Amino acid sequence: DIQMTQSPASLSASLGETISIECRASEDIYSNLAWYLQKSGKSPQLLIYTVNRLQDGVPSRFSGSGSGTQYSLKISGMQPEDEGDYFCLQGSKFPPTFGGGTKLELK
Amino acid sequence: EIQLQESGPGLVKPSQSLSLTCSVTGYTITSGYDWSWIRKFPGNKMEWMGYISNSGSTNYNPSLKIRISISRDTSKNQFFLQLNSVTTEDTATYYCARFIYYSGDLDYWGRGVMVTVSS
Repeated sequence: DIQMTQSPASLSASLGETISIECRASEDIYSNLAWYLQKSGKSPQLLIYTVNRLQDGVPSRFSGSGSGTQYSLKISGMQPEDEGDYFCLQGSKFPPTFGGGTKLELK
Repeated sequence: EIQLQESGPGLVKPSQSLSLTCSVTGYTITSGYDWSWIRKFPGNKMEWMGYISNSGSTNYNPSLKIRISISRDTSKNQFFLQLNSVTTEDTATYYCARFIYYSGDLDYWGRGVMVTVSS
C-alpha cells in the first residue's frame, strides 16, 4: 500500500494567519490526491480534489498544490470555521490510503 | 441534497460479526458512482475498507478481504457492511461515503457510527 505521511500532526493558527499542511506519498501518486476537513461532530467534507480543484462551496482561501510524492494544502487567512481535523487521501493506487491527519486549532 | 446515515449496534463482542447499514437519500445508489465504507480508529488513523459499485460488484481492501462483505438493498436504497470475527482492534468509528472510483475521492459522507468491540 502507498503510505501517506502527513505533517504537522497539530497546528495552532491565529485569525488571518496563512498555514500549510503537507502530505508526502511513499511513491508517485500522479496528482491523485484530495484533502478533507472534519469539523467536530460533523461528517468529513471534501475540500480539494486532484491536487488543486476546489469542491463546490469551498472558500477560495483554500488551495492545494504539489506533484509526484509531495502535496500541500494552504489556508490563506485562518477563520474560526476552519478549525478541525484535516486529512489527505490518495486515490492513485488501490487501496486508497489516508494521511495521519492534522488537527488545526484557532489560537 | 445527498445524505448518508450509518446505523447499527454500538457494541459487538469479540469473535462476532459487525453489521452496519448505510441509508442513502437524495441519490439512487444504482444511478452511478460507487459506495464505500471507511473507518477511523482511536488515535485518528483512517482505513478505506471497500466499496460496492452502482452495478453491485464489490472490491475490498486486501487487509480485510477474508472478513469483509459489502452488500446492498436497492429497494431501500441502502448498502451494508459486515465484518466477521471482530477483535478489539476493530473498535472504530465507521463511515459510509459516496466513492468516485476513477479518482478515489469520497464526496459525500455520513456522520459515522462508533462501534466498540468488547466482551
